Amino acid sequence: TQLLEQSPQFLSIQEGENLTVYCNSSSVFSSLQWYRQEPGEGPVLLVTVVTGGEVKKLKRLTFQFGDARKDSSLHITAAQPGDTGLYLCAGSFGNEKLTFGTGTRLTIIP
Amino acid sequence: DAGVIQSPRHEVTEMGQEVTLRCKPISGHNSLFWYRQTMMRGLELLIYFNNNVPIDDSGMPEDRFSAKMPNASFSTLKIQPSEPRDSAVYFCASRGTGGGPQHFGDGTRLSIL
Repeated sequence: TQLLEQSPQFLSIQEGENLTVYCNSSSVFSSLQWYRQEPGEGPVLLVTVVTGGEVKKLKRLTFQFGDARKDSSLHITAAQPGDTGLYLCAGSFGNEKLTFGTGTRLTIIP
Repeated sequence: DAGVIQSPRHEVTEMGQEVTLRCKPISGHNSLFWYRQTMMRGLELLIYFNNNVPIDDSGMPEDRFSAKMPNASFSTLKIQPSEPRDSAVYFCASRGTGGGPQHFGDGTRLSIL
């Protein structure tokens, strides 16, 4: 059973466009993390959100945790080719285990 | 600073053979995680250790899989006997005390023929 569903699964857009990817669950998480993974490498943490409704910004990336702590979104403004990669959300129930989402594979076309 | 180091980076072997994957966590980290990533199932936690003790191995798929952590700087994941459906990228990650992010290695790409 996949607890975290991400959408879209694949996204290909032109450089300079904006995009939003989603991470949804029926479970309540104590915290949620977003990772980016590039080919041949392991995932790298981008951000952790903890509080319902929390918004965090990392340059052109904006992350939001849903009020009920069941979902999250990642918005990228003016996408650049360097944003290309696999974006993974991962939820925690308060222990050290992370449940990873299905992933969104993003391609930014120059 | 050295990150999580995994070896080998690639392994190709025939079904039935024993496979051993190795991981050196970041020095000072006390938690170590083994994951498997496939297109079909995504990134799945297999087992994790705290202070060298296995805490949760509920993700280990079968008895053919075993993991050990003999000391704070080394862990192995062994598959015996290997099967083609074990083909995947296996990641090791470590985490320091008091929380913080998991740091992943670059993975071992395993192909069982």
